[in-house]
Amino acid sequence: AQTVTQSQPEMSVQEAETVTLSCTYDTSESNYYLFWYKQPPSRQMILVIRQEAYKQQNATENRFSVNFQKAAKSFSLKISDSQLGDTAMYFCARMNRDDKIIFGKGTRLHILP
Amino acid sequence: DTGVSQDPRHKITKRGQNVTFRCDPISEHNRLYWYRQTLGQGPEFLTYFQNEAQLEKSRLLSDRFSAERPKGSFSTLEIQRTEQGDSAMYLCASSLDPTTLAHKDTQYFGPGTRLTVL
Repeated sequence: AQTVTQSQPEMSVQEAETVTLSCTYDTSESNYYLFWYKQPPSRQMILVIRQEAYKQQNATENRFSVNFQKAAKSFSLKISDSQLGDTAMYFCARMNRDDKIIFGKGTRLHILP
Repeated sequence: DTGVSQDPRHKITKRGQNVTFRCDPISEHNRLYWYRQTLGQGPEFLTYFQNEAQLEKSRLLSDRFSAERPKGSFSTLEIQRTEQGDSAMYLCASSLDPTTLAHKDTQYFGPGTRLTVL
């Protein structure tokens, strides 16, 4: 089965600290997309960052960046200068050529004041 | 751009009843997806449409589930003879139609419909 694994069910960090969320995945394809989605409590899922597998350069979006290791099938998310509004469930996800997104089980992130 | 909308946001029903959910995608998006999310899990793919054509259905989608997108705009998801195991958040997402893998567009999610079957 082609899966996405998030090994950290829950994490807590102090406001302004840097936190890294881990994700590994399995796929037999050479070209695919990877995503991190954020789902705040009782609010809808929004895209945080995306990475095309054929691009070697790691994607960045303001305070959010990824460490994409294609050979290791690893895709971690780093949040710098964390803010209270970053508190949410974070889902790592993969999309292959078939357009279906496969999600991990999520990491619940708490930013503490 | 008003985003993806879903109606209702919450639905409580008794076992055995039929329910129908609606999704309105972002207006220029011709791809529409349905996912189901149970507590503590990530969303799982159910089905998707390109315009009015339903292109794929997951094995998770039993015969009691049916989805339509009659005019290629909004979509409905109907569950017949609901069971307690159907209790979940049903998420809709939309995207532009990609022409190649290199141009795949992001899926934008709606707020979901939370179904509780008593």
